[in-house]
Amino acid sequence: SAVISQKPSRDICQRGTSLTIQCQVDSQVTMMFWYRQQPGQSLTLIATANQGSEATYESGFVIDKFPISRPNLTFSTLTVSNMSPEDSSIYLCSAEWTRRGETQYFGPGTRLLVL
Amino acid sequence: AQKITQTQPGMFVQEKEAVTLDCTYDTSDPSYGLFWYKQPSSGEMIFLIYQGSYDQQNATEGRYSLNFQKARKSANLVISASQLGDSAMYFCAMRITGANSKLTFGKGITLSVRP
Repeated sequence: SAVISQKPSRDICQRGTSLTIQCQVDSQVTMMFWYRQQPGQSLTLIATANQGSEATYESGFVIDKFPISRPNLTFSTLTVSNMSPEDSSIYLCSAEWTRRGETQYFGPGTRLLVL
Repeated sequence: AQKITQTQPGMFVQEKEAVTLDCTYDTSDPSYGLFWYKQPSSGEMIFLIYQGSYDQQNATEGRYSLNFQKARKSANLVISASQLGDSAMYFCAMRITGANSKLTFGKGITLSVRP
């Protein structure tokens, strides 16, 4: 199975501040994804991050609120900007390797609480 | 657009017994993949099993098997010999085969294993 790490694993932040979440994968991958999981809910895709191009955002998510970087084939960051309590969620990154089929493997997640 | 339905609100099973978690899906595309993920209280998403729409046999991975009934559009997860560590949320997901296709998740099912 793939190895995907995320930092931080959890954080408590004040409203109006920003938090950057890092995602590192163990081998080069073309597609990385960022998801949000609000309390008691399922996963919702925020955006797809391909190396060398702008991230593709899903409906309801905008770059100003969730800027994403993908500087190389093993790393990505998601920033949650100008946070409000409604941003309290688990944020998960995932990656998909062609040689491993179409399965997406997930990182351990970042638990964010905004006060 | 594809849709995943998980309607069981919560499931309880006695340790060492088998349990079936239901999942139905809806798509008009003939080529797709079905996935099950486990999410323990720690928040990580753990890939369990994959079934392709053209696979002739039901997928199995250790104690996990997928009861794939294509005509009924169901992809139920069977866990044999339940263990206390199986207590978690379980998510069914689907993805249409092809580039830029997204993973769609169901709402999830809570499984509690009783000693």
